[in-house]
Amino acid sequence: AQKVTQAQTEISVVEKEDVTLDCVYETRDTTYYLFWYKQPPSGELVFLIRRNSFDEQNEISGRYSWNFQKSTSSFNFTITASQVVDSAVYFCALKGRDDKIIFGKGTRLHILP
Amino acid sequence: NAGVTQTPKFQVLKTGQSMTLQCAQDMNHNSMYWYRQDPGMGLRLIYYSASEGTTDKGEVPNGYNVSRLNKREFSLRLESAAPSQTSVYFCASSEYSRTIGQPQHFGDGTRLSIL
Repeated sequence: AQKVTQAQTEISVVEKEDVTLDCVYETRDTTYYLFWYKQPPSGELVFLIRRNSFDEQNEISGRYSWNFQKSTSSFNFTITASQVVDSAVYFCALKGRDDKIIFGKGTRLHILP
Repeated sequence: NAGVTQTPKFQVLKTGQSMTLQCAQDMNHNSMYWYRQDPGMGLRLIYYSASEGTTDKGEVPNGYNVSRLNKREFSLRLESAAPSQTSVYFCASSEYSRTIGQPQHFGDGTRLSIL
């Protein structure tokens, strides 16, 4: 069975601090995909990034960066110089061979001004 | 730019009543999903459909039925609503692919309360 664990339920940091959101996954599939989604207070779900199991390159997009490590089954998300607009719930998700996408329980991030 | 449309946005039911949540997408996607979101539980997959005429159970299918009417529409039915089904329900769609993990596009959600 596939599983995604986001151990951090809630995090609070002061604006401009860096923050890392952890994601650990379990799967028996050799080919799989990992995703991060953002859910701002308005409630919609916004896709942030996709990573496939064969691509362990880290990715940076502006203040956002992602660290994928197969050896530890982790796909962590770092926000650099956080801003109040980054306050949201962030979900990590896993898609295996069966095309179903399973989500973690999410991390609620508070950026304090 | 409609994307994924869910109706209704809000609904209050009494225990035992039935209800169908509607979802339609205009992106010609093959895969469609129904999730429920409860506080502290994240999004849990209820049912999944890889194509018209096919459906598959997710993590929490009990108490629900689904129907993939055509490529565009995927409905979720509560036959006899229970208070434990109070939740926010999200429909999503994506391109079907076993080789390229396509991200999902989500609707705005349906907030359902069962009294």
